Amino acid sequence: NAGVMQNPRHLVRRRGQEARLRCSPMKGHSHVYWYRQLPEEGLKFMVYLQKENIIDESGMPKERFSAEFPKEGPSILRIQQVVRGDSAAYFCASSRSRTGSWNEQFFGPGTRLTVL
Amino acid sequence: QKEVEQNSGPLSVPEGAIASLNCTYSDRVSQSFFWYRQYSGKSPELIMSIYSNGDKEDGRFTAQLNKASQYVSLLIRDSQPSDSATYLCAVGLSNFGNEKLTFGTGTRLTIIP
Repeated sequence: NAGVMQNPRHLVRRRGQEARLRCSPMKGHSHVYWYRQLPEEGLKFMVYLQKENIIDESGMPKERFSAEFPKEGPSILRIQQVVRGDSAAYFCASSRSRTGSWNEQFFGPGTRLTVL
Repeated sequence: QKEVEQNSGPLSVPEGAIASLNCTYSDRVSQSFFWYRQYSGKSPELIMSIYSNGDKEDGRFTAQLNKASQYVSLLIRDSQPSDSATYLCAVGLSNFGNEKLTFGTGTRLTIIP
């Protein structure tokens, strides 16, 4: 029973390049969340998606960041023209959608992005 | 005022003792509460969820919720060195999840052998 999968686990980019982070939710989960953790800081919500829909993007920076969860394939978090301040651990979490029941979020192993 | 507050620690507890971790939250309408454990360099791991006032026990872990005081705690009985980690408190607004969670900055716990 595979958990949440993320790849790559480590990503190094130079300033100005693009970073693409991928997340496949747990089997049976249809909700995906992206969080960012800066060094020595807490987890910060970025975006919540269901298949083909962005439900809540209130934590996403207005520029350079975008996310999608297509009908087929993993969710993608895309960062254009990366800057050093984007260096962080990016975690994906997923949850079920059970009516009338609690739907906890389970996290993937994360992608550590380093911007040189 | 931070939305979810935790003492950053480090909190040092002798092996075999009870570790007590505390969390307060500012949004009175919050409905769901979670404790995650995060080892250094790893991802958060869900260890407890609680939705109703009172205590919830699972093995050596007990979560306590007091909505009137906007306070949630985690007790770890018979602490083991493997419990040494950062513990994150997370809060949600809805009854059933499927929403963003707001995290505290975490309490670093060290169990002393």
